[in-house]
Amino acid sequence: KAGVTQTPRYLIKTRGQQVTLSCSPISGHRSVSWYQQTPGQGLQFLFEYFSETQRNKGNFPGRFSGRQFSNSRSEMNVSTLELGDSALYLCASSLAPRGGSTGELFFGEGSRLTVL
Amino acid sequence: QKEVEQNSGPLSVPEGAIASLNCTYSDRGSQSFFWYRQYSGKSPELIMFIYSNGDKEDGRFTAQLNKASQYVSLLIRDSQPSDSATYLCAANNFGNEKLTFGTGTRLTIIP
Repeated sequence: KAGVTQTPRYLIKTRGQQVTLSCSPISGHRSVSWYQQTPGQGLQFLFEYFSETQRNKGNFPGRFSGRQFSNSRSEMNVSTLELGDSALYLCASSLAPRGGSTGELFFGEGSRLTVL
Repeated sequence: QKEVEQNSGPLSVPEGAIASLNCTYSDRGSQSFFWYRQYSGKSPELIMFIYSNGDKEDGRFTAQLNKASQYVSLLIRDSQPSDSATYLCAANNFGNEKLTFGTGTRLTIIP
């Protein structure tokens, strides 16, 4: 069974640019969450999508957005990049049985974003 | 104040000994608690979860939860060098997948 796939794995952008990251969840998993990981702040929740709807949102500015497609694949976008957006962006999928939650997240390898 | 607090370590434990990792949380609405392990350069993976007060054992791992003290711990018995990793404590409320993570404790098992 394939795991969570994230693309691209590495990318370098400059301030002011925008970036789109992609995530393909494990087959059958309907919930996709996004986290930002930095050495100082650790893992911070960005948002969660279930059935193409954003179910939960973290405390990030509106420059961070996401969406989920009908096949459960998800994308997140960061506009007007700032130096502080440099981080590892992790996507996680979960089964979310009957629309509920288990907390058992399966993480992808992440997309490492460097903003210069 | 972070909602989930962990000692960042590093915590060094001799091989074969018991490693004890601790975590406190501030949100009394938290219902479920998780321990994720993250090897250097890798993504986190779930190793234990606990919902009820008391102990939960799975092989060499034991999770402990005390909701009155808002305290969660993970014990690793017979520690192996392969247990060397960063251990992340996380909490959520029932009904959503929004996990609040601590910053992690780096554990090193010394052969």
